[in-house]
Amino acid sequence: ELKVEQNPLFLSMQEGKNYTIYCNYSTTSDRLYWYRQDPGKSLESLFVLLSNGAVKQEGRLMASLDTKARLSTLHITAAVHDLSATYFCAVKTTDSWGKLQFGAGTQVVVTP
Amino acid sequence: DAGITQSPRHKVTETGTPVTLRCHQTENHRYMYWYRQDPGHGLRLIHYSYGVKDTDKGEVSDGYSVSRSKTEDFLLTLESATSSQTSVYFCAISGGLVSNEQFFGPGTRLTVL
Repeated sequence: ELKVEQNPLFLSMQEGKNYTIYCNYSTTSDRLYWYRQDPGKSLESLFVLLSNGAVKQEGRLMASLDTKARLSTLHITAAVHDLSATYFCAVKTTDSWGKLQFGAGTQVVVTP
Repeated sequence: DAGITQSPRHKVTETGTPVTLRCHQTENHRYMYWYRQDPGHGLRLIHYSYGVKDTDKGEVSDGYSVSRSKTEDFLLTLESATSSQTSVYFCAISGGLVSNEQFFGPGTRLTVL
């Protein structure tokens, strides 16, 4: 059974500093997804990582995937208040139906 | 947003009553999913569909059933709602292309008293 673990579950960030969220998973998969969720809202797709060594960047966020280590990281550069949200990683299961297993989420609060 | 709507958006019901949630998409995507979101659990898959009339159970399917009679609609039914089914329910769709990226609907907040 695929298990996905995110850490930390809560991250208090200071504006202007750099931080990393980690996503570990337990069985082989070659696709990993990062989503953002604002309070009371739906999930918004941030990144789709399709292969080992994949790196995607958008603004202050950068995501990478190491399938051999079964690890993805979401790096935040120079945090700003607008990045306050909950971030989820999700890993594709090995069956044919595109199912995803989600981590518990990392709640990020950015303060001045 | 991808063309996904959910109805109702909010519902309060009583224990023991049946409840049906609807997910409607205009993207003609093959795959549709129902998740529930509870604090500390992320999103957990309830049921999914890989085509019209083709559905299967997910991780937390007990107490739920689904139907998909048209590509665009995926219904989730709680046959006899319980307080443990109080949650936020999200529908997602995927075109099943290389990325298998899932796009989420706005969610339904269900409270069972």
